[in-house]
Amino acid sequence: SQTIHQWPATLVQPVGSPLSLECTVEGTSNPNLYWYRQAAGRGLQLLFYSVGIGQISSEVPQNLSASRPQDRQFILSSKKLLLSDSGFYLCASSDRPGGHGYTFGSGTRLTVV
Amino acid sequence: KQEVTQIPAALSVPEGENLVLNCSFTDSAIYNLQWFRQDPGKGLTSLLLIQSSQREQTSGRLNASLDKSSGRSTLYIAASQPGDSATYLCAVSPTTSGTYKYIFGTGTRLKVLA
Repeated sequence: SQTIHQWPATLVQPVGSPLSLECTVEGTSNPNLYWYRQAAGRGLQLLFYSVGIGQISSEVPQNLSASRPQDRQFILSSKKLLLSDSGFYLCASSDRPGGHGYTFGSGTRLTVV
Repeated sequence: KQEVTQIPAALSVPEGENLVLNCSFTDSAIYNLQWFRQDPGKGLTSLLLIQSSQREQTSGRLNASLDKSSGRSTLYIAASQPGDSATYLCAVSPTTSGTYKYIFGTGTRLKVLA
């Protein structure tokens, strides 16, 4: 079964600083990968998804970008963080049809100060 | 635009009680619906997945039903235990997504009192 590694678990960054969050997946190949954000008091929102290396789709306009340099590596980045980027970021992987095998990482709590 | 609503937002019950969590969605064109559990500060764990052609799924003390035409799902938890305390999230995958993207509700925060 899939295992998702996300790091760091918590991060405090000043406004205007860069960001790089990494997600790696074990136990599968060629999964679909997703970045979600959970803001305080709001539901999970899909930010990006990828169906293969170098293939990134953005769901909402924002200050963030994503990249997939390897099959099981998904990176979320920003050149200059905003206060509104604060939230709980979750990486997810899906490796089976029908929505089965949808696995989430343990998340990164980002606070922009 | 698909929207997912969960009621109630929070629920506190004594141990042993049977309970029902509700989820509604505005567009019935879905591949499937999943119920997830989230413990504080943690990721999500999938509990039950119901395909659009199914009416219900069961796993242990959990039973989820789906009425796609009315845009509703319920999660039934039997004989609740303190270990069931968590936030329960309902999510639907629209048929337009193609990659099983999910749209989530804001969750029901459950507390089971010993």
